[in-house]
Amino acid sequence: DIVMTQSPGSLAVSLGERATINCKSSQSVLYSSNNKNYLAWYQQKPGQPPKLLIYWASTREFGVPDRFSGSGSGTDFTLTISSLQAEDVAVYYCQQYYGAPYTFGQGTNLEIK
Amino acid sequence: EVQLVESGGGLIQPGGSLRLSCAASGFTVSSHYMSWVRQAPGKGLEWVASFYSGGSTKYADSVKGRFIISRDNSKNTVYLQMNSLRADDTAVYYCARWGLDLPSFHYAMEVWGQGTTVTVSS
Repeated sequence: DIVMTQSPGSLAVSLGERATINCKSSQSVLYSSNNKNYLAWYQQKPGQPPKLLIYWASTREFGVPDRFSGSGSGTDFTLTISSLQAEDVAVYYCQQYYGAPYTFGQGTNLEIK
Repeated sequence: EVQLVESGGGLIQPGGSLRLSCAASGFTVSSHYMSWVRQAPGKGLEWVASFYSGGSTKYADSVKGRFIISRDNSKNTVYLQMNSLRADDTAVYYCARWGLDLPSFHYAMEVWGQGTTVTVSS
């Protein structure tokens, strides 16, 4: 199984500042035949289902604000929120969909400082 | 509008069975990968099972042999039959549709239902 490790576990950032969440996979999720990284990022607010933010490691889902960006390749990935807004308070998860079981990171709890 | 609506959750005794339903609208389930993901109280997300557009299925080791995912194209609905339920199956169960980049790149879990709660307790 591919183990996904997120850091930090929790993060407090001031409004308007940058937030950075890291995700490391225990093996590469880059599929060589199509050069795509099978890595997604989700946002989950209390009492709500997860919401897809980023897929293929860096493709923003339709309707997601451009302050959210994803980067990385192979085993190391980053979700960046360029200017934190109050509505971004949530738990963020990375997930690999390279192969079953489709494992998630343990989550990063993002708060306002 | 693309939508998923789960139903069938509830309180069940250990060893019991339950069938969850995920009714889809705005798209056809046969064209997409469909999955069930669960979240135990206060915990993270755990993939449970997937039904692929070609008809094959896969399961997490924690539910293999106890849970069955199926699809009814005529009802545009995906099911999760859960047998031999245990206390650690207690969770909110979400149904999710994978995204599809044409021609055939399935990616991530793009659309989620609101979830249905399963509580296994005596």
